[in-house]
Amino acid sequence: GEDVEQSLFLSVREGDSSVINCTYTDSSSTYLYWYKQEPGAGLQLLTYIFSNMDMKQDQRLTVLLNKKDKHLSLRIADTQTGDSAIYFCAERPGYSSASKIIFGSGTRLSIRP
Amino acid sequence: NAGVTQTPKFRVLKTGQSMTLLCAQDMNHEYMYWYRQDPGMGLRLIHYSVGEGTTAKGEVPDGYNVSRLKKQNFLLGLESAAPSQTSVYFCASLYRGANVLTFGAGSRLTVL
Repeated sequence: GEDVEQSLFLSVREGDSSVINCTYTDSSSTYLYWYKQEPGAGLQLLTYIFSNMDMKQDQRLTVLLNKKDKHLSLRIADTQTGDSAIYFCAERPGYSSASKIIFGSGTRLSIRP
Repeated sequence: NAGVTQTPKFRVLKTGQSMTLLCAQDMNHEYMYWYRQDPGMGLRLIHYSVGEGTTAKGEVPDGYNVSRLKKQNFLLGLESAAPSQTSVYFCASLYRGANVLTFGAGSRLTVL
């Protein structure tokens, strides 16, 4: 079955890099996503990666995909207080024409001064 | 361009009451979804729709009904609310052939 797993909490010092990890089970996944949820708000797409890529970089964000291990990570360089949020990993199973996107439980990132 | 709009944003119900959450999108998206978000459990799919007049069950459909009479609207109904349905509900939509869900701001429901 489909499953996406993430650790629930991460605490980093301001200015350090944050690395949020995710594992998924569906090897047919076509797209993998990182969404960000700020307090009291909905989810906003941060970035996504197609399954035939192994890395994607966008300013302070770096996404790494290891298809063999079904492992996805999000690195945030120079973490700032505005990065405090819940980060959701999600996958889109390849067989699903209706785009049934499956979400992980979310990782709450907190920033220490 | 409003995107995905959910109403109401907050609601408190008593056990056994009924209510409907409305999701409206103005992007002409074919697919629409209702998720619920609970602490430590992420987002779980309740029901979804691939087009006007069609709906399908997601991961946690029990206790909910949905309707998609118009392409732009997706309604989530609770016929007899239970405390276990206390949650934050998110609607999302997707353009067929696209890759990214667009989310509403959420509706916080409390059932006493």
